[in-house]
Amino acid sequence: AQSVAQPEDQVNVAEGNPLTVKCTYSVSGNPYLFWYVQYPNRGLQFLLKYITGDNLVKGSYGFEAEFNKSQTSFHLKKPSALVSDSALYFCAVRDEGGPGTYKYIFGTGTRLKVLA
Amino acid sequence: KAGVTQTPRYLIKTRGQQVTLSCSPISGHRSVSWYQQTPGQGLQFLFEYFSETQRNKGNFPGRFSGRQFSNSRSEMNVSTLELGDSALYLCASSLRGDSITDTQYFGPGTRLTVL
Repeated sequence: AQSVAQPEDQVNVAEGNPLTVKCTYSVSGNPYLFWYVQYPNRGLQFLLKYITGDNLVKGSYGFEAEFNKSQTSFHLKKPSALVSDSALYFCAVRDEGGPGTYKYIFGTGTRLKVLA
Repeated sequence: KAGVTQTPRYLIKTRGQQVTLSCSPISGHRSVSWYQQTPGQGLQFLFEYFSETQRNKGNFPGRFSGRQFSNSRSEMNVSTLELGDSALYLCASSLRGDSITDTQYFGPGTRLTVL
């Protein structure tokens, strides 16, 4: 079965500094990876996904993620953090469900705090 | 295009009661998935529906059930509520759920509190 791991429960970064939220994956076959963000009392918002192609994926709100096959990682990055980026971030991998269908497996989440 | 909507946003129930949550997917989306989010367990997959049929199911007891209507709207039901069922229940929709290019889009969730 596919899985993702987010090794950090919380990441603190100063506003204006670059941020990285880590995710590693374990899959059999091709990995299909996603990042979502959750603001307080809200559902998850889609940020970006890796299906195939370029290892650097650009997404919403200035976020990007780097797919690294040799390190089985899919870290989320942003060159300059904003206080408004403070939220809970989830990495997810698509796993096979019933025949020809998929389901998502989520990591445990990383809380990002951007300090003014 | 309107996003995924869930009703109600908040619910308070007591142990032993049952509850029904509703989800309306993005227009044109036919796959609807449900997740339970708790601080201890994170996001856990409950089930997925497509064309009024349950296609995938997570590891939850039979007290958790769902259905999908012909307009793709979905409901989930939890019977004989337990304290541990207190959680944020999230609904997500995608076009078909069986394409590698599909992306799930989430609703705001229903916060269920069981007393």
